Formats: sequence, structure tokens, C-alpha cells
Amino acid sequence: EDQVTQSPEALRLQEGESSSLNCSYTVSGLRGLFWYRQDPGKGPEFLFTLYSAGEEKEKERLKATLTKKESFLHITAPKPEDSATYLCAVRPLNYQLIWGAGTKLIIKP
Amino acid sequence: DGGITQSPKYLFRKEGQNVTLSCEQNLNHDAMYWYRQDPGQGLRLIYYSQIVNDFQKGDIAEGYSVSREKKESFPLTVTSAQKNPTAFYLCASSTGVSNVLTFGAGSRLTVL
Repeated sequence: EDQVTQSPEALRLQEGESSSLNCSYTVSGLRGLFWYRQDPGKGPEFLFTLYSAGEEKEKERLKATLTKKESFLHITAPKPEDSATYLCAVRPLNYQLIWGAGTKLIIKP
Repeated sequence: DGGITQSPKYLFRKEGQNVTLSCEQNLNHDAMYWYRQDPGQGLRLIYYSQIVNDFQKGDIAEGYSVSREKKESFPLTVTSAQKNPTAFYLCASSTGVSNVLTFGAGSRLTVL
């Protein structure tokens, strides 16, 4: 069964304290892994797409990486404005996205 | 600015009532989607449409209905048959079934 699991459920960091969020997946053929950011009461905003193991993408303080079993979203020297819920989704062979439950990231000043 | 507009932002429904959530996009995207978001769960697909006058059921279509009469519009009706409709509803669109989704700001439905 296709499945996506994100960990931890919530993560509290001090401003400037780097860390990583995890997205583990089991799918019947990966056609893409997506990271989105969601602020409270709003729709998700697209961050990255990764397609093959070893691929990396960066945007400001965020870097996403991909292996055959999981993806990491690394956040370097975070700021309070990075606080949000980060969602991971995978696209299997049938093209319909499977979403993780998200990681709520809180950055304290 | 191009984007997706969902309305209303908040909606309250009494037991036994049908309600319709609006979703309009000016991105010229072919595909549109409706997702439901509940606390502690991943987004779940309700319905999607790849072209006008055609739509397919997602994983949790029971108790919901949609129409796609125009490329720009994809309204969702939550019927009285949906037993637990309280949730945050998200509309999204993409240029194709395999492309990145653009989301609206969401509509929060509460059953009184």
C-alpha cells in the first residue's frame, strides 16, 4: 500500500538552530516528491519537487534532499517567519498524490 | 494577479442542509481538485477534473458532488449525506495531472 509518513509531528527550535524534517514513503513507482508550506488557516504553497534519488534543491534557508525511501527538508539558521506546517506529498504511478500529515515547525525568537 | 479564489472563507451548516463551496481560478489551468483537510491527517482527495464537463471521484467522494461547466469554476456541494462534514476544504488547480498544484486559501465548514 502506498504510504507517506512525516516526522516529527511537531518541532520547536530556537531561532538559528538548524534541524531537519523527515518524509518517509513507500510507493509503487515514484513520479515525484513534493514539499509544501502551509500557514495557519491558509492553503499550502509549493516549495520543491524532487524526482530521483540524490537530487537536491535549495531555496533560501531550506534544502530538500531525496533518497529511495525518504526525503529530508533541512532548515538552516531558521527565523520565526519560517514557522509553519510543512507538508510532503508523493506522486505514484497512478498520478494521484498521497499526502503526509505534516510537521508543524515552531521557531522561537 | 492570477490565483484561486475560494468562498466563503467560513461556513456554518445545520444538520440536513446542503452547502456549496465556490472555487474560481484565473490561471488557465486545465485540472482542478477538491481536498479535505482534517487535523492530524494528510490531505484527502474528494473529486478532480481534468477537462470541462468531466470529473472523477477521489478517495472520499461519498456525500459530495461537483460540476465543471466552465474551465475557471469547480464548485463543491457538501450534501446532507456527508455524515462528518466539519473540515477545512481546499481547492487546487494545475496545468496537468502530473504538475504542481496551486491552492486556494481554503473554506472552513462547521456543522452546528
